Amino acid sequence: SQQGEEDPQALSIQEGENATMNCSYKTSINNLQWYRQNSGRGLVHLILIRSNEREKHSGRLRVTLDTSKKSSSLLITASRAADTASYFCASDSWGKLQFGAGTQVVVTP
Amino acid sequence: GAVVSQHPSWVICKSGTSVKIECRSLDFQATTMFWYRQFPKQSLMLMATSNEGSKATYEQGVEKDKFLINHASLTLSTLTVTSAHPEDSSFYICSASGGPGTEAFFGQGTRLTVV
Repeated sequence: SQQGEEDPQALSIQEGENATMNCSYKTSINNLQWYRQNSGRGLVHLILIRSNEREKHSGRLRVTLDTSKKSSSLLITASRAADTASYFCASDSWGKLQFGAGTQVVVTP
Repeated sequence: GAVVSQHPSWVICKSGTSVKIECRSLDFQATTMFWYRQFPKQSLMLMATSNEGSKATYEQGVEKDKFLINHASLTLSTLTVTSAHPEDSSFYICSASGGPGTEAFFGQGTRLTVV
């Protein structure tokens, strides 16, 4: 399968809580990217972490990368109702993105 | 970030007809564009890699005679779904990259419904 795995498949939390999701991939990568997708819409790029980086922050987002385990995590801190969406990781191998299965996050007020 | 425009946003067509979807990079030259398909509640599946001036590279299991890809210029790639059938109904998304290791920019997607 060209898809990596993500867990959990779905996550329901309350506003203010943190949301953590994990992603595993199969091939060697140049970088790993995280995207969000609102229902039926296009993808929004969130953050890119290069293969020689271990952790990266952007606003309320924190991404880690462990190339030895071929895994990454995305943490959203102090979640808001507007964070409700599906989140996908995508491993980048020479420009070709392979997407994980996605985590559906629901943040309730 | 860069802008990638995809057209149309949605299309409904009759079974047996062909549908063309356009993907344009508006403010940068994209030597490579990618086409993805997404079924409801599933992830994006890479269909093919489109290189300007050369034949597209298709992923395993994707019929190249059914999904025709043309990348005639550095700013335009097209995907034509030929002889569409209801099982081709899906969300098709393109992306454009400035090169390996750089951020990919996605079009807004095209929802195809074949009736």
